[in-house]
Amino acid sequence: DVKVTQSSRYLVKRTGEKVFLECVQDMDHENMFWYRQDPGLGLRLIYFSYDVKMKEKGDIPEGYSVSREKKERFSLILESASTNQTSMYLCASSRLSGYTFGSGTRLTVV
Amino acid sequence: RKEVEQDPGPFNVPEGATVAFNCTYSNSASQSFFWYRQDCRKEPKLLMSVYSSGNEDGRFTAQLNRASQYISLLIRDSKLSDSATYLCVVNPLDFGNEKLTFGTGTRLTIIP
Repeated sequence: DVKVTQSSRYLVKRTGEKVFLECVQDMDHENMFWYRQDPGLGLRLIYFSYDVKMKEKGDIPEGYSVSREKKERFSLILESASTNQTSMYLCASSRLSGYTFGSGTRLTVV
Repeated sequence: RKEVEQDPGPFNVPEGATVAFNCTYSNSASQSFFWYRQDCRKEPKLLMSVYSSGNEDGRFTAQLNRASQYISLLIRDSKLSDSATYLCVVNPLDFGNEKLTFGTGTRLTIIP
């Protein structure tokens, strides 16, 4: 069964901390994505990547960066966490139509 | 105007009833359309793709109307297990053919 694994289900971090969210897929997919999901706003694309070492900004990249050193791993970095980055973060990968999502990381910044 | 718009609901429907959701999209060049299902506190999962000719998968029927730029999802003989949030998803082809835009979802509750 194909899988996208996010390293943490729940995280609590302090304002100003640097936060790393890890995502690994075992499907040899080229495309990987990071979304955040907030009530009433739906899923919003933060960053995506079509290949190793390649990254593109999504709709809300401010305050975030990403790293893709290996095909299977796509990391989301919050350079200096703020309370407005409290959210559910979802990683996804795809090759053709349709995404496979990880189970999500619920991040709380206090 | 949002790229993808859905009625957020909630829809509270008795078990066994038929329920339909619509979704409109703004980019007329969009090529791919999907319905995803998201259970409470879970990740979204692909329910079905939506084709121009319409498609059916068991109790679920999806249709696309390009002229009016909307897609629909029909659920017949609804079950308690159909309770979830249904996300309308469109590929606007802004970047390659894989960047998807999600609606905010329609919440469905099936009542015993």
